[in-house]
Amino acid sequence: ETGVTQTPRHLVMGMTNKKSLKCEQHLGHNAMYWYKQSAKKPLELMFVYNFKEQTENNSVPSRFSPECPNSSHLFLHLHTLQPEDSALYLCASRPIAGSERNTIYFGEGSWLTVV
Amino acid sequence: GQNIDQPTEMTATEGAIVQINCTYQTSGFNGLFWYQQHAGEAPTFLSYNVLDGLEEKGRFSSFLSRSKGYSYLLLKELQMKDSASYLCAVRVPMIKAAGNKLTFGGGTRVLVKP
Repeated sequence: ETGVTQTPRHLVMGMTNKKSLKCEQHLGHNAMYWYKQSAKKPLELMFVYNFKEQTENNSVPSRFSPECPNSSHLFLHLHTLQPEDSALYLCASRPIAGSERNTIYFGEGSWLTVV
Repeated sequence: GQNIDQPTEMTATEGAIVQINCTYQTSGFNGLFWYQQHAGEAPTFLSYNVLDGLEEKGRFSSFLSRSKGYSYLLLKELQMKDSASYLCAVRVPMIKAAGNKLTFGGGTRVLVKP
């Protein structure tokens, strides 16, 4: 248990569906991230939020829409996805100050299958 | 661009030592991380190097040479539970904003055999 909780753990959706992934941490961290992990590919950073403000969008298609309503919650809204978007989506967080500022804590991930 | 290379897979015997190499060529460098990821689980932090040299933490050690763009993770006294993927990641400056981000290698799958 890293303290970063993701729901759902598994999601199967059609290409015309709209769904959302949720991430929650109560570690007091101020930075939150979405990463994508595809088979045989490196972990790819998608979005970065610092203090609820998006500070990086790593050229992610608009069919992925993040939302960060507060420092503890992060969502990834999914709409009209493609089969190649099937992957493990990992949320992560870290404190931006203090002795643990160099450590990113990952959630267990949400396995997404687009059919 | 960012390029981080590590072997895809390694096999070792229980009780032995395995060294996982990572080479990197990145735009900027603010530290190198190693993460362990068991199948179906979250990556967990193992080590962080920002200065040259060896960092030791129990059975795991990590080495960094910034001039060579090279790091290794050394796993001693291998146990069956060490079978996992090991991810090398370099912290680099973000392009559009202040701050840094982690760029990952493809991971090295280590299989420990009895």
